[in-house]
Amino acid sequence: EVQLEESGGGLVQPGGSLRLSCAASGFTFSSYWMSWVRQAPGKGLEWVANIKQDGSEKYYVESVKGRFTISRDNAKNSQYLQMNSLRVEDTAVYYCVWEGFWGQGTLVTVSS
Amino acid sequence: QSALTQPASVSGSPGQSITISCTGISSDVGGYKYVSWYQQYPGKAPKLMIYDVSNRPSGVSNRFSGSKSGNTASLTISGLQAEDEADYYCSSYTNIYWVFGGGTKLTVL
Repeated sequence: EVQLEESGGGLVQPGGSLRLSCAASGFTFSSYWMSWVRQAPGKGLEWVANIKQDGSEKYYVESVKGRFTISRDNAKNSQYLQMNSLRVEDTAVYYCVWEGFWGQGTLVTVSS
Repeated sequence: QSALTQPASVSGSPGQSITISCTGISSDVGGYKYVSWYQQYPGKAPKLMIYDVSNRPSGVSNRFSGSKSGNTASLTISGLQAEDEADYYCSSYTNIYWVFGGGTKLTVL
């Protein structure tokens, strides 16, 4: 059974940092691209970032370039999203996504 | 990376069929076979209902079907049931990034 479990969300002040983690199981993690997608409260879905199997390629939505960094550790079947210089508009539930399977999400709230 | 266009809301009575459209451009919906549809209940994670335009994952009812013509993809739900009331999102994968539709709220009257 595929499982994606996010962690690391919480309340942070504008300009602060958070690191999200996603622990994956039930598939060969090292063989697939992984993604992060977010959903602001009451809003639609927004793709945030992708990472290739070996981490050699990474892509970001324009609004987070230079502030967010996606990474992965295939030995730990995990991916991460380092979020720096957080803004109020980054407030959202962040989902770890693999091939159409979504984790339960972790809420990031950016507020003073 | 512009969002795909979906109607904000659609409605139908139990037993009827409805179709939700999803319009993109030639560099996303029109250019790739990687169109997916997701169902989302309030407070829950999205659930994959259709992938690669018209394929259903195991366990998804055959009342759900997908198609594509040019730059527009469509999700059809036949034999509407009360449990189908939810938000539906389309997405297109372009080999580099995903783009999502704004979502459609389906109301079962």
